Amino acid sequence: QVELVESGGGVVQPGRSLRLSCVASGFTFSSYGMYWVRQAPGKGLEWVAVISYDGSNKYYTDSVKGRFTISRDNSKNTLYLQMNSLRAEDTALYYCARGTSSWYDYAMDVWGQGTTVTVSS
Amino acid sequence: QTVVTQEPSFSVSPGGTVTLTCGLSSGSVSTRYYPSWYQQTPGQAPRTLIYSTNTRSSGVPDRFSGSILGRKAALTITGAQADDESDYYCVLYMGSASWVFGGGTKLTVL
Repeated sequence: QVELVESGGGVVQPGRSLRLSCVASGFTFSSYGMYWVRQAPGKGLEWVAVISYDGSNKYYTDSVKGRFTISRDNSKNTLYLQMNSLRAEDTALYYCARGTSSWYDYAMDVWGQGTTVTVSS
Repeated sequence: QTVVTQEPSFSVSPGGTVTLTCGLSSGSVSTRYYPSWYQQTPGQAPRTLIYSTNTRSSGVPDRFSGSILGRKAALTITGAQADDESDYYCVLYMGSASWVFGGGTKLTVL
């Protein structure tokens, strides 16, 4: 079955870096755009970044531009989020999500269970 | 900064029908915003219900439907069940590869 499994979260000091991973299975990973979405404790969902099926296009929410980098390795069915210069406000549960079969539906259709990032001194 | 608005909370009786809405702080929502809807129960990952205004995601029962009502996107649940009690989020595509989630609606079934 289709599955997304995130990892790499943890507790990190402000200003440090962390890399999240999301391993996909059960579908042709290289055919789908992929998203990162986060949820701060007790708060709503926030779109973070998206990458096209082939990695050629990457987009970010303003608050992470220049600090976060989304990437993918289609040979390993893995999505990444490199997070640098972390701030307290980046503390959240980070979900990876698969895009719908058509990029132009502009939506997510399958979600992982998330990995928790805590930025604290 | 555009804000996507949702009712903070809503309640529905078992078996009843409820319509949750998704608007903009300025302007109207249309199909070109490709509204999508997600259900999240406490401690669980989101589940996709509707995308591209009114397309049901795989496995979603047809008592969930999406539409545009007036100036807003809408999610209608007919025949509400106890396990529909969840948080519901809409997200709008704002163009230029940018998405904004609404603040979510907490739906109570009682």
